[in-house]
Amino acid sequence: AQKITQTQPGMFVQEKEAVTLDCTYDTSDQSYGLFWYKQPSSGEMIFLIYQGSYDEQNATEGRYSLNFQKARKSANLVISASQLGDSAMYFCAASYNQGGKLIFGQGTELSVKP
Amino acid sequence: GAVVSQHPSRVICKSGTSVKIECRSLDFQATTMFWYRQFPKQSLMLMATSNEGSKATYEQGVEKDKFLINHASLTLSTLTVTSAHPEDSSFYICSARATVVTGTEAFFGQGTRLTVV
Repeated sequence: AQKITQTQPGMFVQEKEAVTLDCTYDTSDQSYGLFWYKQPSSGEMIFLIYQGSYDEQNATEGRYSLNFQKARKSANLVISASQLGDSAMYFCAASYNQGGKLIFGQGTELSVKP
Repeated sequence: GAVVSQHPSRVICKSGTSVKIECRSLDFQATTMFWYRQFPKQSLMLMATSNEGSKATYEQGVEKDKFLINHASLTLSTLTVTSAHPEDSSFYICSARATVVTGTEAFFGQGTRLTVV
């Protein structure tokens, strides 16, 4: 079964520093998409970044970049220049050709310290 | 990005009553909508997939008679928690996709925090 694994339940980072949130996935599908979402305490799911399995370049969106290592089946999120407002839960998710549903990892709670 | 509106954001109901949660795509047609459940500090667990005009597909372990899903139009899906009990208290969140391909972002509603007393 497809599975997304986030091994870091909680992470701390100093304001203005960079942080990497880990994500590995398990699939035999050739075509899939990888997503990262931010969930603040309000509960809303905020889309951050997307990487397609056929994309050769790592995705970037402002301060967010996705370190995609296909052979290792990893899709780590890098947040540069952390801000206090980055404190939230972060979820890695994958979409396979199974009706378009997203499978989520366990999440990582990021705390940015001033 | 596209907007998905979910109502209500919070609801408290008495045990034994039913609660309906609405999920609307405001500026696009959602051929597929998904309903998730989330317990505190845990991940989102997919409950069911609803396609406009057809019966929902439920994930294993989800009681379809308890969690009724209706996707009557391309912009509206509803989740009804029937005969709610305290263990149904949770955060319910919907998402919608315009087309079902791997590269299409899923847009999420704001979520509904259900408390059954």
